[in-house]
Amino acid sequence: EVQLVESGGGLVKPGGSLRLSCAASGFTFSSYSMNWVRQAPGKGLEWVSSISSSSSYIYYADSVKGRFTISRDNAKNSLYLQMNSLRAEDTAVYYCARRGVHVDYWGQGTLVTVSS
Amino acid sequence: DIQMTQSPSSLSASVGDRVTITCQASQDISNYLNWYQQKPGKAPKLLIYDASNLETGVPSRFSGSGSGTDFTFTISSLQPEDIATYYCQQYDNLPPALTFGGGTKVEIK
Repeated sequence: EVQLVESGGGLVKPGGSLRLSCAASGFTFSSYSMNWVRQAPGKGLEWVSSISSSSSYIYYADSVKGRFTISRDNAKNSLYLQMNSLRAEDTAVYYCARRGVHVDYWGQGTLVTVSS
Repeated sequence: DIQMTQSPSSLSASVGDRVTITCQASQDISNYLNWYQQKPGKAPKLLIYDASNLETGVPSRFSGSGSGTDFTFTISSLQPEDIATYYCQQYDNLPPALTFGGGTKVEIK
């Protein structure tokens, strides 16, 4: 069974940093691109970043470019999102999601709250 | 950047009703369009991929159609368990960005 479990969310002050993790199991992690998608409270879904299976290709939404860094460790079956210079508008549930041809599995999400 | 306009933003229908949601792309996206269901407090679930293909295990009352810029998602007979927010999602391969519609909240009348 495919499982994606996010962790690392919490309350952080504006300008602060946070590192999210996503532990994957039930599939060959190193064969899939992975994504981070976020959802602000009561709002819709927003793609944040993607990373190819071997980390060769990395992309970011304009809203986080230069502040967030996506990475992965295939030996540990883990995906990461380093978030720096956090703003109030980054407050959201952050989901990691697997992408084969399509984004077909999502984790349960971890809540990041940016507030003073 | 491609924009996805989804309508309506919410709807209320009776059990057994036919429900239709539309999604319009700002430019031709061929059939690179998926539909997701999100129940409160849960992660999204893929229902329809490539505009009209039913994901394995998804009930056949869900369907999708369209290509180019105009797409439709249909629930042929609304069930109580279908209460959720539905999102269309356009995808690119290079770069592999994802763009979501604004969502449609479906409620029971």
